[in-house]
Amino acid sequence: LAKTTQPISMDSYEGQEVNITCSHNNIATNDYITWYQQFPSQGPRFIIQGYKTKVTNEVASLFIPADRKSSTLSLPRVSLSDTAVYYCLVVGNTGGFKTIFGAGTRLFVKA
Amino acid sequence: EADIYQTPRYLVIGTGKKITLECSQTMGHDKMYWYQQDPGMELHLIHYSYGVNSTEKGDLSSESTVSRIRTEHFPLTLESARPSHTSQYLCASSLWGQGITEAFFGQGTRLTVV
Repeated sequence: LAKTTQPISMDSYEGQEVNITCSHNNIATNDYITWYQQFPSQGPRFIIQGYKTKVTNEVASLFIPADRKSSTLSLPRVSLSDTAVYYCLVVGNTGGFKTIFGAGTRLFVKA
Repeated sequence: EADIYQTPRYLVIGTGKKITLECSQTMGHDKMYWYQQDPGMELHLIHYSYGVNSTEKGDLSSESTVSRIRTEHFPLTLESARPSHTSQYLCASSLWGQGITEAFFGQGTRLTVV
């Protein structure tokens, strides 16, 4: 399983764009990159996934360079309710979703 | 909204008691998982299942056991609870296939053993 490294915490202000970068140097050919969000006392929630280049949905964008050794989650115009822990995961195709959640990035959005 | 349910949400129990944490999903997912998470800490996979009658141990050793008699149900049991078992337990389920990386998590059970 590929190990991921991401910042422990980040601060931002309401209305700003937030970019969280994750490194995954040992990513395998069949691995996908996935991001989850977790609020206190709740289970993680899927945000976005990608394999290469750029993916965008209604919540976020995910940028993946050609070598796939890193990825950047972009949250546009954050609000106070985006304060949460964000996990970057590398998910392989062996045996279903069974992967390691690291410590994640604690995002604090201030007014 | 994910159709995966955990009961109870909160449980305070005395040392030595036997407990079962319930997890049910109505999405027909074959894969189910149990994670353990202490406050502010990482999630650790403790058990998973590929389907009915399949159970495997996860990355973190746990004294708990699981069973999978029905697709939708994946209970976790502690035969004799101890204070060291105090934690949050999260159940999840997913489909399986190339490019499928979304797992659906329940709200969790916060267990306190006194």
